Amino acid sequence: GAVVSQHPSRVICKSGTSVKIECRSLDFQATTMFWYRQFPKQSLMLMATSNEGSKATYEQGVEKDKFLINHASLTLSTLTVTSAHPEDSSFYICSVTHLDSDTSKQFFGPGTRLTVL
Amino acid sequence: GQNIDQPTEMTATEGAIVQINCTYQTSGFNGLFWYQQHAGEAPTFLSYNVLDGLEEKGRFSSFLSRSKGYSYLLLKELQMKDSASYLCAPMDSNYQLIWGAGTKLIIKP
Repeated sequence: GAVVSQHPSRVICKSGTSVKIECRSLDFQATTMFWYRQFPKQSLMLMATSNEGSKATYEQGVEKDKFLINHASLTLSTLTVTSAHPEDSSFYICSVTHLDSDTSKQFFGPGTRLTVL
Repeated sequence: GQNIDQPTEMTATEGAIVQINCTYQTSGFNGLFWYQQHAGEAPTFLSYNVLDGLEEKGRFSSFLSRSKGYSYLLLKELQMKDSASYLCAPMDSNYQLIWGAGTKLIIKP
C-alpha cells in the first residue's frame, strides 16, 4: 500500500493566490521530509528539507518566504506556495526517509501538479 | 562538484534486455538508488546498492562499482509497461540524493 500520500493531486489556481500542499507519511513517523519540484522533461530538484519541530532547510535559490514549509507533526508536512505565479506551475513531490536495518530509503508521494493561470 | 551522467534516451524491443549505465561524482557516498518514473507520476523505488556487485530483484538487476563511480540497471524480458524514465540517484555524505535527468526508455513491440 501507499507509504506517502499527497493532497491535492492536482490544483489549478489564479495568479496571486496561495496554494497549500499536504504530505503525509502513512506507515511510519518521519522526522525528515523532502520537497522536490520537477519541471517538464527536467530532473527532480530538491527545494527544501523539512524537519519536524524546526525550521526547514532551503536549497540555494529557493525563496523561503514564497515556499512556506510547516512540519508540525511526525506524519505531516505542508508546502504553501504563496502568491503563486505562472512560473510556479510545476509538479511538486514530497518524500520521506525511512531508516531500516541497513539502508536509508526515500519513499515518494504521488505528487501534486500545480497549474497557475 | 556533484554530477550524474546517464544516456538521455534508449530504445529497446519488447522481450529483450537493456542495460542503462550511470556514472556519478559525489561528495562522499552512502549508496546508490535507481528509481522508475512514468510520465506525470512520482518516482518509485527500484533498487539500492551500497556495496560493489550485482543485486538481482526479479526482472531488474543493479550493479555498482564504487571505485569507478559506475552503476547500471539491467532490465530483462522487457514489457511495454517498462517504458518510463529511469533515474540513477547516488546519496552523498549528507544522505542527500543527487538527481540527474534520467534515461527515457522506449519499448517497441
